Amino acid sequence: GVTQSPTHLIKTRGQQVTLRCSSQSGHNTVSWYQQALGQGPQFIFQYYRKEENGRGNFPPRFSGLQFPNDSSELNVNALELDDSALYLCASSLGYGQSDTQYFGPGTRLTVL
Amino acid sequence: AQSVTQLGSHVSVSEGALVLLRCNYSSSVPPYLFWYVQYPNQGLQLLLKYTSAATLVKGINGFEAEFKKSETSFHLTKPSAHMSDAAEYFCAVSELETSYDKVIFGPGTSLSVIP
Repeated sequence: GVTQSPTHLIKTRGQQVTLRCSSQSGHNTVSWYQQALGQGPQFIFQYYRKEENGRGNFPPRFSGLQFPNDSSELNVNALELDDSALYLCASSLGYGQSDTQYFGPGTRLTVL
Repeated sequence: AQSVTQLGSHVSVSEGALVLLRCNYSSSVPPYLFWYVQYPNQGLQLLLKYTSAATLVKGINGFEAEFKKSETSFHLTKPSAHMSDAAEYFCAVSELETSYDKVIFGPGTSLSVIP
């Protein structure tokens, strides 16, 4: 399945954070979502074979990397209080809607 | 612009009773529609998806949803609720087949099952 680390993280405003995701083996696509408390997930961006191929309404301080070994990262610079949320990654074989996304359990980020 | 509304942020049903979770969408083109479930401290799991084939879509765990274009609805139902169905449910819409940045999630409905 899809795993994420760490489970929980506490940072202060202005710091930088890296969240990690391990995709299902053989999946070429990883997507990241931000889920604020009491809301539905919001799409941050998607990577397909190491290239960003879609981005939601998030500023450039949100960036990502996808590695050949089924792992990927979400980096957030200059943390703001509103960045506190559950961050979900999802992997899929391709990037069409016919491809089912498999979600990880998420990383809970708290910014103080 | 796409949007998803879910009527009722909290729904309570008795065990064995019908589950009905409502979802309405707005989309300028025929959409793809999804229902996801999220259990506490877990990620999202796809229950079912509509991709313009049959209007009645059957999913996992006994859930199904019916696409009604005239009502722009995609309500989720299950004939008999089980205690294990207690979770958060999200409806989502996507317009383009190849672009995930068009996936919009609703705010979610928390389902409680009363024994």
